[in-house]
Amino acid sequence: KAGVTQTPRYLIKTRGQQVTLSCSPISGHRSVSWYQQTPGQGLQFLFEYFSETQRNKGNFPGRFSGRQFSNSRSEMNVSTLELGDSALYLCASKGRDSGPTGELFFGEGSRLTVL
Amino acid sequence: GDSVTQMEGPVTLSEEACLTINCTYTATGYPSLFWYVQYPGEGLQLLLKATKADDKGSNKGFEATYRKETTSFHLEKGSVQVSDSAVYFCAPAGGYQKVTFGTGTKLQVIP
Repeated sequence: KAGVTQTPRYLIKTRGQQVTLSCSPISGHRSVSWYQQTPGQGLQFLFEYFSETQRNKGNFPGRFSGRQFSNSRSEMNVSTLELGDSALYLCASKGRDSGPTGELFFGEGSRLTVL
Repeated sequence: GDSVTQMEGPVTLSEEACLTINCTYTATGYPSLFWYVQYPGEGLQLLLKATKADDKGSNKGFEATYRKETTSFHLEKGSVQVSDSAVYFCAPAGGYQKVTFGTGTKLQVIP
């Protein structure tokens, strides 16, 4: 069973550009969450999608957006990039037991560097 | 909202030493509690979990007990190995099915 796949793994952008990151969850998983990981802030929750609907949202500006497709694949987009957006972006999917007791399965992340 | 306080690292231990990583949380209701581990260059993976008060989660020699009265979920291991070197995250999952992560504690085990 394939794990959570994130693409691209590494990317470099300049300030003001935009970026789109992709996440393919484990087959059969309908919940996809996104996190931003930085050395100073740890893991911060961006948003969660379930069956193409945003179910939860963290405290990030509107430049951060996401969506989920009918096959459960998800994308997140960051517009007008700032230096502070440099981070590891992690995607996690959750299975049939999508309640609070369910385990999150993480991808290896997309490392974004903004110059 | 939910929050987690996790002891700051890095924690450096010699092989076979005892490990305790403290974690306290605030959350509405009765959250499920998780410890995730991140090995170098990898994403996070579940280490153990507990879903109700007094439950003990265990895996790979690690243990943590859900203490509702002290809102704590401390991670312990009696004898650490070099292969345990990683970053450990405490994470309650409470209301609205949102998981909140602590800042992580980096553990380095030296031979």
